[in-house]
Amino acid sequence: QKEVEQNSGPLSVPEGAIASLNCTYSDRGSQSFFWYRQYSGKSPELIMSIYSNGDKEDGRFTAQLNKASQYVSLLIRDSQPSDSATYLCAVARTGKLTFGQGTILTVHP
Amino acid sequence: NAGVTQTPKFRILKIGQSMTLQCTQDMNHNYMYWYRQDPGMGLKLIYYSVGAGITDKGEVPNGYNVSRSTTEDFPLRLELAAPSQTSVYFCASSYQPKGDSPLHFGNGTRLTVT
Repeated sequence: QKEVEQNSGPLSVPEGAIASLNCTYSDRGSQSFFWYRQYSGKSPELIMSIYSNGDKEDGRFTAQLNKASQYVSLLIRDSQPSDSATYLCAVARTGKLTFGQGTILTVHP
Repeated sequence: NAGVTQTPKFRILKIGQSMTLQCTQDMNHNYMYWYRQDPGMGLKLIYYSVGAGITDKGEVPNGYNVSRSTTEDFPLRLELAAPSQTSVYFCASSYQPKGDSPLHFGNGTRLTVT
């Protein structure tokens, strides 16, 4: 079983729609959870972090965490073409930060 | 404000050659990481360090070695390069991988082994 697994994608949504990205993890001792965005040919950049169960909102982005189900999600509201990128889920435990394989999101006009 | 600096940006190696990928950060971060990213894939953790003198294996450590003699530097050594090591390598650092302390990534090293 992979330590961090994301829905395989690619995911294509129309401009203005909600994009939903999902991630599961295997280590119940995981402490912190992150979503990174990576544009083609660039380094990843952090867009959201979440540590406790529930929702965390930042602008158009909402991260959701359910530790009992070992599940993390990212919702992007009012998706824009500039949101087209690869989204990487990352999970941390005692210094070790592990990434999922990424989900490619395309927002078409 | 340099952040995380990786050198070189590009490198072509022949099978069996060795090289060191350099990574240095000027933010006094304790945590440093090496990842590789194959085309169309996510990041796979090679090695990480939680402080000077301490290193630990990640998911894919075979064929690589690291050292952490100072807080600033975390070089990655490839011995006997193989085509399977063709990838983009990212070095990253953070104060701590929790709280609002994001990973700071270098710009990557694109390595081709032929």
